[in-house]
Amino acid sequence: EAQVTQNPRYLITVTGKKLTVTCSQNMNHEYMSWYRQDPGLGLRQIYYSMNVEVTDKGDVPEGYKVSRKEKRNFPLILESPSPNQTSLYFCASSSRTGWAYEQYFGPGTRLTVT
Amino acid sequence: AQSVTQLGSHVSVSEGALVLLRCNYSSSVPPYLFWYVQYPNQGLQLLLKYTTGATLVKGINGFEAEFKKSETSFHLTKPSAHMSDAAEYFCAVAGGNNNDMRFGAGTRLTVKP
Repeated sequence: EAQVTQNPRYLITVTGKKLTVTCSQNMNHEYMSWYRQDPGLGLRQIYYSMNVEVTDKGDVPEGYKVSRKEKRNFPLILESPSPNQTSLYFCASSSRTGWAYEQYFGPGTRLTVT
Repeated sequence: AQSVTQLGSHVSVSEGALVLLRCNYSSSVPPYLFWYVQYPNQGLQLLLKYTTGATLVKGINGFEAEFKKSETSFHLTKPSAHMSDAAEYFCAVAGGNNNDMRFGAGTRLTVKP
């Protein structure tokens, strides 16, 4: 089954404790992206990757890091989480063929930073 | 740069009634427009998209949307609401690359029995 998986689905942590949210897709997609979803703000892009070893900042990259060492994986790293990073996070992937590529979304990771 | 405005953060309809969710966009290039649906505790799922060609786009679950360039709108409709349509709906605009995609704030649809 074609899918994007994220782990963990729920995470409660404390300020300053480094964490990683994993994202993996099995569709051989070149493009992957991370979003955060906050009430009243919709989805905002954090980072994206056009291919292996190619990453770039989205609209809200501060406090986050990413890496793309393999095509299927795109982990999101919070080196020193803060309470304002409490949010719902989504990973997405898409193929680059054609225009207006459909993005496939993971199930989300709900992060709480206390 | 692209942006999206969804009018109404909450919409409530009765089962069987018309569903109308409003979306207006701003784009400096010919837009590609999307509607996504998010069911509780799930990720986003594509409902439909407009790229080029026919301005009336049909999607899954009986939804459709019409691209109106003169009104910069891409409203989502469904003739008859079903209880299973209760979800949050997001309109998005892109300029041809996913790194340019912008989402609206979302509209939560409630369907009353």
